[in-house]
Amino acid sequence: GAGVSQSPSNKVTEKGKDVELRCDPISGHTALYWYRQSLGQGLEFLIYFQGNSAPDKSGLPSDRFSAERTGGSVSTLTIQRTQQEDSAVYLCASSLDLGQGATHGYTFGSGTRLTVV
Amino acid sequence: LAKTTQPISMDSYEGQEVNITCSHNNIATNDYITWYQQFPSQGPRFIIQGYKTKVTNEVASLFIPADRKSSTLSLPRVSLSDTAVYYCLVATNTNAGKSTFGDGTTLTVKP
Repeated sequence: GAGVSQSPSNKVTEKGKDVELRCDPISGHTALYWYRQSLGQGLEFLIYFQGNSAPDKSGLPSDRFSAERTGGSVSTLTIQRTQQEDSAVYLCASSLDLGQGATHGYTFGSGTRLTVV
Repeated sequence: LAKTTQPISMDSYEGQEVNITCSHNNIATNDYITWYQQFPSQGPRFIIQGYKTKVTNEVASLFIPADRKSSTLSLPRVSLSDTAVYYCLVATNTNAGKSTFGDGTTLTVKP
């Protein structure tokens, strides 16, 4: 596609429920990243995928968070048993590959605003 | 990953040049310096990237001194639409995707 697409744009869920957030990267981009941005703060790295390599999960805050990327394209971030502190904007980005992302920047989606009530 | 320090906020007026400095004292030899811009309700947008000396594109200039322990993003003749948060990232090609964008600098351009 022309840009990185994320859905839904907004999600309100009850505490304890599971949620799935979707990211559709730019076609042909092999690297895909997930970040979390709490209100008024910077972006916190969560996980990235590069091609067929095992994902780097070092930023995931707890085992309630997981992500997968099917067929090297669409990615889903799943949060199980949501807590109020999970409320944030979840941003997805993609780049041609890791190196291109560093030197030419990542293309970000507009994010999913998650509110846990 | 190198730690960066930026001013929390800056104010300017339309038509002025704005310089935002980022300190990165522990920058490593293989690190690149990248700046992003973020508007409300949007993801960050790549502005410029450099390794040393000066880089210029259609949007901004990036000045990096010889010791590379700091960098300055220069926005010429800002307009109200340049009001945004600006982030400085320092990382290698391999680690850049794992960068945690700090709190950034909130630039407010006034008429």
